[in-house]
Amino acid sequence: AQSVTQLDSHVSVSEGTPVLLRCNYSSSYSPSLFWYVQHPNKGLQLLLKYTSAATLVKGINGFEAEFKKSETSFHLTKPSAHMSDAAEYFCVVSDPTGGSYIPTFGRGTSLIVHP
Amino acid sequence: GAGVSQTPSNKVTEKGKYVELRCDPISGHTALYWYRQSLGQGPEFLIYFQGTGAADDSGLPNDRFFAVRPEGSVSTLKIQRTERGDSAVYLCASSLTILEEQFFGPGTRLTVL
Repeated sequence: AQSVTQLDSHVSVSEGTPVLLRCNYSSSYSPSLFWYVQHPNKGLQLLLKYTSAATLVKGINGFEAEFKKSETSFHLTKPSAHMSDAAEYFCVVSDPTGGSYIPTFGRGTSLIVHP
Repeated sequence: GAGVSQTPSNKVTEKGKYVELRCDPISGHTALYWYRQSLGQGPEFLIYFQGTGAADDSGLPNDRFFAVRPEGSVSTLKIQRTERGDSAVYLCASSLTILEEQFFGPGTRLTVL
């Protein structure tokens, strides 16, 4: 079985300060992990993905995430927030090695960026 | 290039009616997924297709929900005898294969009165 927990429903930061969005997962096998972003009235867009290569994954728009197996975490970070980063972020897990190609989404974290 | 499109963008219907939601995937993508997203929640898996066949429909909530993809491209999600609890945004995504990145459409917002 697989599951994902996004630890914060809302994160508020000032423009130019670091961003940390937390995600913990549960997986029976070797998971694939993703972060998606959803801007208002727009479709979900992939930010980055981890599929058992390098544990530090770089994505678009300056975001990156680190896979930590010992902590079962896949937190999303960005050194300096921009106003355009304000959106909903989803952490996603799937277990293709376990034969499941069904992604499980977290409940989402709303990122608020103050000027 | 053309992305995933979904029609209609909004659908308002009355309880008990039948609705069809359409998804046009990116050309050449063999995998197609349907999700449902309720307010304040992440997308919830409904069904996915590999080509024309439904590879896994374990997320469909009950037998009022059905989806088809007869030619391995366009897919239609069908909901019979709609209930107010079916109100949500229905998302479609496609990917080149089941292991690749999913590209999402903008969704269809279904409101059942």
